[in-house]
Amino acid sequence: DTGVSQNPRHKITKRGQNVTFRCDPISEHNRLYWYRQTLGQGPEFLTYFQNEAQLEKSRLLSDRFSAERPKGSFSTLEIQRTEQGDSAMYLCASSPSGQGPTEAFFGQGTRLTVV
Amino acid sequence: QKEVEQDPGPLSVPEGAIVSLNCTYSNSAFQYFMWYRQYSRKGPELLMYTYSSGNKEDGRFTAQVDKSSKYISLFIRDSQPSDSATYLCAVYNFNKFYFGSGTKLNVKP
Repeated sequence: DTGVSQNPRHKITKRGQNVTFRCDPISEHNRLYWYRQTLGQGPEFLTYFQNEAQLEKSRLLSDRFSAERPKGSFSTLEIQRTEQGDSAMYLCASSPSGQGPTEAFFGQGTRLTVV
Repeated sequence: QKEVEQDPGPLSVPEGAIVSLNCTYSNSAFQYFMWYRQYSRKGPELLMYTYSSGNKEDGRFTAQVDKSSKYISLFIRDSQPSDSATYLCAVYNFNKFYFGSGTKLNVKP
């Protein structure tokens, strides 16, 4: 499978615990995005990487959220001290570089449930 | 004001019908427009990608952008039960994709 891969697919955690999600983008895609989607809503932008540089962060990304993309390949999204409001689908997308936007391909997402 | 507004539906049509899905957007500077299809509990799948105004056709799907009215449309001809999904419109601006809330489509056999 050469698409965007996200792990785990599902995560149930207790409030207050830390969780980490991983995204493996399509090979050689140097743009990587994290989005969050709640039921009945479209995906909301969280953060954007160009290679290993985090170039954009949404104000939705509170100080409990941190994302990294070491070496410009896979990316991780960590949520510290989880809250029930963090329950959502976390989506990763990647796209190749180019003038303007290029087609972004999404992974299957990680569904987080905070109990 | 949200960047993209989309009627959430649901929209229910019989098999074979022509489906019209629509969005409006707020900023006339947007140039890049996309439609994604999302099945339940799956990630969004890119269907169509258009730049600026005009139509783009791919099989049974036609994407249309009217920049004068800031209106984005997706038409599905000869709809099939397998087209039942949530359809998300999106615009791109400065390293971000902005999505509508999605329209849930049900095509009845």
